[in-house]
Amino acid sequence: DTGVSQDPRHKITKRGQNVTFRCDPISEHNRLYWYRQTLGQGPEFLTYFQNEAQLEKSRLLSDRFSAERPKGSFSTLEIQRTEQGDSAMYLCASSLGPGQSVGYTFGSGTRLTVV
Amino acid sequence: GQNIDQPTEMTATEGAIVQINCTYQTSGFNGLFWYQQHAGEAPTFLSYNVLDGLEEKGRFSSFLSRSKGYSYLLLKELQMKDSASYLCAVSDTGGFKTIFGAGTRLFVKA
Repeated sequence: DTGVSQDPRHKITKRGQNVTFRCDPISEHNRLYWYRQTLGQGPEFLTYFQNEAQLEKSRLLSDRFSAERPKGSFSTLEIQRTEQGDSAMYLCASSLGPGQSVGYTFGSGTRLTVV
Repeated sequence: GQNIDQPTEMTATEGAIVQINCTYQTSGFNGLFWYQQHAGEAPTFLSYNVLDGLEEKGRFSSFLSRSKGYSYLLLKELQMKDSASYLCAVSDTGGFKTIFGAGTRLFVKA
């Protein structure tokens, strides 16, 4: 297992366009998380899946954002009608539940730039 | 509400010891984590405390006081490669999500 994979690594898009990011978690991890991080800040929680069920979604996540995890394996995060304020690093993480002692394994992230 | 406070930046000398403090106020608590994040890279897990006291792992130790809402990360025998951001994070009740602080940027100088 090579860890958590995210694709693409970088995405530059024009304002108003839709973008979709993919995350492949560690295969035996049933919990998957999406976070957003801007320069100088810590990761900000967006949403969480346990298997295929989306159990929590941040109030910060407007209706332009949607995430799926079909079949409880990979996940996608879609942003519709992108805005310049969406420019950030989008991090995916996975973990084994319910144990917490080993923390999350993060992917390398997708850096989104909206121009 | 959720609030995690840690210093923005710290500077220390190679070979020295540094302590990074973190205070938190969260609606629930299911453990406290420290992560290391080098510039341009993803965070990597360093330590986890759920009970009061000190957890030691090589050059890194982490302390927790739940009654005070306080933790610290202690780094010994500092090396240049320890220059990074250190993120304090709290897992909410049930452990469904983790809330991160803004991070402390540590600069290690020769």
